Amino acid sequence: GIQVEQSPPDLILQEGANSTLRCNFSDSVNNLQWFHQNPWGQLINLFYIPSGTKQNGRLSATTVATERYSLLYISSSQTTDSGVYFCAALRGATNKLIFGTGTLLAVQP
Amino acid sequence: GAGVSQTPSNKVTEKGKYVELRCDPISGHTALYWYRQSLGQGPEFLIYFQGTGAADDSGLPNDRFFAVRPEGSVSTLKIQRTERGDSAVYLCASSFDRGSEQYFGPGTRLTVT
Repeated sequence: GIQVEQSPPDLILQEGANSTLRCNFSDSVNNLQWFHQNPWGQLINLFYIPSGTKQNGRLSATTVATERYSLLYISSSQTTDSGVYFCAALRGATNKLIFGTGTLLAVQP
Repeated sequence: GAGVSQTPSNKVTEKGKYVELRCDPISGHTALYWYRQSLGQGPEFLIYFQGTGAADDSGLPNDRFFAVRPEGSVSTLKIQRTERGDSAVYLCASSFDRGSEQYFGPGTRLTVT
């Protein structure tokens, strides 16, 4: 099955800094989602981005489907951005999301 | 509007007992998914329903796990003869239709003692 890898595994930022999180997937995908899992465990939808670029406030994401990777950009980070960021890929008719191992982000004041 | 809801939020049970976990999807969503998340890992797929039928149950770990969605809305995940290794957060997600964006509930934290 498809493999999804994320980097870096851990990241510590000072408030106000920018960061880029990467997601590599081993095969073509029909769907790519980015989530933020907050400290209470809730998965919050960030982007549904099988290809192209999208922006939402301080966050943006780019998926290059032909090269099998996606990037999540966080600008002017805030302490509330802390948590785990997951990307998840869906391929073919399976309809199941295959999650990466996540990036644990800590934003310090 | 209302998101995906799950009950209970926490469940503690003894080894060998039977448990039921409930999921209420977003109204109008035809697809419903169950995932399981162990500590420090990403969620792992268990089962997918399209309408009332289980279209893909390849992620269920063994025959102690079963799920139903009798009226195409609420779903119940049932675990028989629970084992300590079943302890995890069980997440439910729904989407408008097959392959569209999935939205997750807050999860049920199951602890088997």
